[in-house]
Amino acid sequence: KAGVTQTPRYLIKTRGQQVTLSCSPISGHRSVSWYQQTPGQGLQFLFEYFSETQRNKGNFPGRFSGRQFSNSRSEMNVSTLELGDSALYLCASSLPTDGYTFGSGTRLTVV
Amino acid sequence: GNSVTQMEGPVTLSEEAFLTINCTYTATGYPSLFWYVQYPGEGLQLLLKATKADDKGSNKGFEATYRKETTSFHLEKGSVQVSDSAVYFCAREINNAGNMLTFGGGTRLMVKP
Repeated sequence: KAGVTQTPRYLIKTRGQQVTLSCSPISGHRSVSWYQQTPGQGLQFLFEYFSETQRNKGNFPGRFSGRQFSNSRSEMNVSTLELGDSALYLCASSLPTDGYTFGSGTRLTVV
Repeated sequence: GNSVTQMEGPVTLSEEAFLTINCTYTATGYPSLFWYVQYPGEGLQLLLKATKADDKGSNKGFEATYRKETTSFHLEKGSVQVSDSAVYFCAREINNAGNMLTFGGGTRLMVKP
């Protein structure tokens, strides 16, 4: 079966802009979670969605938001980008029996 | 809290050497435990997992045993290859009306021919 698909793979944005990242989970997986990976902070949990509802949110400012659609695809949005938002953003979809499967990530560079 | 601590790297080994990467977790409940591997420029790949005490996860020659008494989940491999060079992450699941993972800081493994 197809894996988790994240688009785009790479993005370059300017400070102050906003960005939207997309994640398509494995078919049948209803839980989608997002993580930020940076060299300084490592892997940090952003938020998790299940059946279009945000169930958990990590310790990130309100500039970071997300949503999930009825087909389980998810998007995350970062507004008013800062240099420190440069990171690899990873999406994972999960089922209790399957564990967590990650996509290849979106590499965001803010200049 | 819900944290994971793993040994800092880099770990440098010669091919066919024995590998151990230590991982301990805080004992809040009985979380599922995971090892993920990340190759350069890629996302995380699940290497192995264990869902309860005394379970042993194994894959591609790697093993880890869920030790409740020592709150540990150390990764081992009897004979590493150059192709095992990557960053390894230990993770625990947090089930708090939802599903998410908390990760250790990652350990870079470099295997020399």
